[in-house]
Amino acid sequence: EAGVTQFPSHSVIEKGQTVTLRCDPISGHDNLYWYRRVMGKEIKFLLHFVKESKQDESGMPNNRFLAERTGGTYSTLKVQPAELEDSGVYFCASSQGIRREGLNEQYFGPGTRLTVT
Amino acid sequence: AQKVTQAQTEISVVEKEDVTLDCVYETRDTTYYLFWYKQPPSGELVFLIRRNSFDEQNEISGRYSWNFQKSTSSFNFTITASQVVDSAVYFCALSGGVSGGYNKLIFGAGTRLAVHP
Repeated sequence: EAGVTQFPSHSVIEKGQTVTLRCDPISGHDNLYWYRRVMGKEIKFLLHFVKESKQDESGMPNNRFLAERTGGTYSTLKVQPAELEDSGVYFCASSQGIRREGLNEQYFGPGTRLTVT
Repeated sequence: AQKVTQAQTEISVVEKEDVTLDCVYETRDTTYYLFWYKQPPSGELVFLIRRNSFDEQNEISGRYSWNFQKSTSSFNFTITASQVVDSAVYFCALSGGVSGGYNKLIFGAGTRLAVHP
């Protein structure tokens, strides 16, 4: 079974440019999550999809970030326009099922390292 | 507020030594989940264990063991007879409960473990 995949693995862009990150979850996983780790700090939650619906986007930093999951399969996270403080590693994770308690473990991808210069 | 503290930033040991990684958490919820993830040099977060708040039994899996103590809000991780392949960053995480959202993971800052031959 393929794990969570993310593309690209690295991205270097200039301030003001746009970048789109892609995540392909494990097949059959309804839940998809985005997290990011900025400058060696804690990994912070960004948002959670259940299928194609945003269940929780409380961690999205501002309106320069747009996440989509059309068709409930892969997801994209667009940053437009990128700022220096957006640099970090963006992780995607997926988990099975739809439960209130969040019992299922989240499986993480390798992350996309974003550098904004 | 929910918080996870991993006070040890870096630990260095010699192969075959035992090592304990500390994790202290804060939450007001009575139902919650605790996790440990390993991040090897390849970058992905590898799920190690999930423990719910009602199960305080210690768990052993090969050379890995976990000690969950609600009285001290701790969920420590011990590696027995460490090996070079154990070198990685280890993250402790808490699932948000009613207050934070069950599906949202709150991570500690991570502990970098270096095991030397």
